[in-house]
Amino acid sequence: SQKIEQNSEALNIQEGKTATLTCNYTNYSPAYLQWYRQDPGRGPVFLLLIRENEKEKRKERLKVTFDTTLKQSLFHITASQPADSATYLCALDTNAGKSTFGDGTTLTVKP
Amino acid sequence: DVKVTQSSRYLVKRTGEKVFLECVQDMDHENMFWYRQDPGLGLRLIYFSYDVKMKEKGDIPEGYSVSREKKERFSLILESASTNQTSMYLCASSFRQGYGYTFGSGTRLTVV
Repeated sequence: SQKIEQNSEALNIQEGKTATLTCNYTNYSPAYLQWYRQDPGRGPVFLLLIRENEKEKRKERLKVTFDTTLKQSLFHITASQPADSATYLCALDTNAGKSTFGDGTTLTVKP
Repeated sequence: DVKVTQSSRYLVKRTGEKVFLECVQDMDHENMFWYRQDPGLGLRLIYFSYDVKMKEKGDIPEGYSVSREKKERFSLILESASTNQTSMYLCASSFRQGYGYTFGSGTRLTVV
């Protein structure tokens, strides 16, 4: 069956360090992979989209990699700040026009 | 600032009531989606729409229906609300396939 797994429910790091979040999938052939940020009680906010033929994408302190052989995406936040504390969701789109979301990883950046 | 607006932030309804959740986007997006989000279950797709008067079932359509009479508006209908439909409901839109989603702030529905 199709499955999306995000590495852990919670990740705690120190301010200034790089946070690395993992999204693994099985039995999908995604055309796109997206990352979102969600704060408590709010809707997710779109961060980055990477296509199947792209290896890496960057936006300011954010970097996403996409390895279709390993069936994995890594999401990095460099020079992390307490304001980066949130839940981060990955989502896959298989060209069916709809995205399936992972359960999310809650990141806490300690000052 | 572009946005997706959901009509209610919090809603309490009684079992058996017919419930309407409204969603409006001002971005001229083609695609619109309804998800529900529950602890431990993540975001699950209920219905989506690629165009006016068009709808597709998502992963959990049972007990729900939708309406898209105008491009900017996508309504979710709970035909006869039940307690297991207590959840956070999130509406989203996207320009078209291959673009990120813009989500609304969500409607927290409680069915008593």
